[in-house]
Amino acid sequence: DAKTTQPPSMDCAEGRAANLPCNHSTISGNEYVYWYRQIHSQGPQYIIHGLKNNETNEMASLIITEDRKSSTLILPHATLRDTAVYYCIVDSGNTPLVFGKGTRLSVIA
Amino acid sequence: NAGVTQTPKFQVLKTGQSMTLQCAQDMNHEYMSWYRQDPGMGLRLIHYSVGAGITDQGEVPNGYNVSRSTTEDFPLRLLSAAPSQTSVYFCASSQAAVYEQYFGPGTRLTVT
Repeated sequence: DAKTTQPPSMDCAEGRAANLPCNHSTISGNEYVYWYRQIHSQGPQYIIHGLKNNETNEMASLIITEDRKSSTLILPHATLRDTAVYYCIVDSGNTPLVFGKGTRLSVIA
Repeated sequence: NAGVTQTPKFQVLKTGQSMTLQCAQDMNHEYMSWYRQDPGMGLRLIHYSVGAGITDQGEVPNGYNVSRSTTEDFPLRLLSAAPSQTSVYFCASSQAAVYEQYFGPGTRLTVT
């Protein structure tokens, strides 16, 4: 059973913020929210993860709602190189991650 | 650090042939895993290992064997290749399950 729901595709104008939503209404208290992305046919790349609090790193920000049932990945200034498939994954960290189909983000010049 | 390396990059097999996909990491990671990705699909977990000598099955283990004799290496064996195994195979490693996973560049396998 899928633990997350993501839109299949999104567009974003270059230079604007890209906000990628993810629903995980059945998340358990010990489960983390992970975000990865896959550019073209390369191996997936880790972006960020969090448990309860919002997180920020050099790549992106992760906003988790207070009830933890949804989250948003924010790429503050999207570039053409951010065009990729973005995966939102919920996992307790006890086993390797299970990937869904993700959101295909297209950054448009 | 080389990170996660995979060989070969490309491979063509005939139905019924066997082969081993190699995966190595130099980060002293305990966790290693194998995924396959079919065209237009997400990644599916084949097998994984939480340390040397310990392996377990993922979502799609049939037709594949693994072993983990060292921390560094985690080879994936195709016992008798079938066209349904045509895919891109990714190996990944992490310090622990909760930490970020590092992925290799992939092996593109075609079975005719």
